[in-house]
Amino acid sequence: DTAVSQTPKYLVTQMGNDKSIKCEQNLGHDTMYWYKQDSKKFLKIMFSYNNKELIINETVPNRFSPKSPDKAHLNLHINSLELGDSAVYFCASSRRDSALWGYTFGSGTRLTVV
Amino acid sequence: RKEVEQDPGPFNVPEGATVAFNCTYSNSASQSFFWYRQDCRKEPKLLMSVYSSGNEDGRFTAQLNRASQYISLLIRDSKLSDSATYLCVALPRDMRFGAGTRLTVKP
Repeated sequence: DTAVSQTPKYLVTQMGNDKSIKCEQNLGHDTMYWYKQDSKKFLKIMFSYNNKELIINETVPNRFSPKSPDKAHLNLHINSLELGDSAVYFCASSRRDSALWGYTFGSGTRLTVV
Repeated sequence: RKEVEQDPGPFNVPEGATVAFNCTYSNSASQSFFWYRQDCRKEPKLLMSVYSSGNEDGRFTAQLNRASQYISLLIRDSKLSDSATYLCVALPRDMRFGAGTRLTVKP
């Protein structure tokens, strides 16, 4: 069983479209995250949710809206997609004591905006 | 200034070599530190945690210097399979990643 699963794995879409990426974890973790890895490979946090509550919202355009229906799911919706949104988006989860165990990542969603 | 800074490399070393990566972090409130490994087009995976006293896991040794806000990773007897990007991580409130150091081990 995959611990943190994201869908889709690849997403190619046109500028201006709205798209969603889904993430689910079956580890019983309390906290989930979205990270963006751009073409320069820099991995940057976007959002963090703890038990469905938004904890961290970095400087991300408000076209990006996370939604957490329950603590096992954290979806990312992106409105009015732009070329600069092309990147790999990673979902991750952690236990409350993430300081000891770190994060577990999903396999990523490669988004290409054309 | 980035919160976590790493030498991006690339490091190209022969099999069997010893290689060291360094990393500095800017947030003195950081409590935990890790090294992650990321293979091409894959997700980051935890390599090892970094403890204050330094720790070793097989061929890998991690060290932390809180006074200098500095973390290091030493890989001994490099294998071809060690080729990857190594990401340094500091955790003040959430995980902040360095940009990664690319390692290629050649036969």
